Amino acid sequence: DSGVTQTPKHLITATGQRVTLRCSPRSGDLSVYWYQQSLDQGLQFLIQYYNGEERAKGNILERFSAQQFPDLHSELNLSSLELGDSALYFCASNPGLTQGGNEQFFGPGTRLTVL
Amino acid sequence: EDQVTQSPEALRLQEGESSSLNCSYTVSGLRGLFWYRQDPGKGPEFLFTLYSAGEEKEKERLKATLTKKESFLHITAPKPEDSATYLCAVRGQETSGSRLTFGEGTQLTVNP
Repeated sequence: DSGVTQTPKHLITATGQRVTLRCSPRSGDLSVYWYQQSLDQGLQFLIQYYNGEERAKGNILERFSAQQFPDLHSELNLSSLELGDSALYFCASNPGLTQGGNEQFFGPGTRLTVL
Repeated sequence: EDQVTQSPEALRLQEGESSSLNCSYTVSGLRGLFWYRQDPGKGPEFLFTLYSAGEEKEKERLKATLTKKESFLHITAPKPEDSATYLCAVRGQETSGSRLTFGEGTQLTVNP
């Protein structure tokens, strides 16, 4: 158990809908990262937040957005869902040090299925 | 742009048959190379971080090594419970924030 929690575990929805994925980082971690893992693309970085502020952006679609709240939990919002958005979405966290290559600890993921 | 290539894509071993997984990387100023283990449908589990060429780390039957262009994950006398996908990732100096760039992984199967 990494200490990172994600809810829900599974989500099934229809095209065009909007969903919210939630992540609670490990105790004491200030940085939260979101990754998407689909069968044909592996793990892809979406976005990073550090202590409530957006820190880095990957190839995140404009239909997707995220935020980190004062209690440090984060939410990833996916809207106008398409079939291709079906994937595993992982949240990871770490203390957020700017020096060195510090490891990230991953949650169990949310499996999103868009029908 | 950081790039990571892992080989082989899949590896099937007999229990006790040692082998190595390869991770080749291109990065501008390495700030860490990471190995993770991922079981089906679960989140990646952190194994090792390597920072500089020549560095080695060990954990049970696993040993990770690093050169300037690649990393190896050596598996000695594997057991069926070592079956998983092993992911390699890098963080580069020019990467904004602390994002990791992952390879596609090596799917390891260890038969009893």
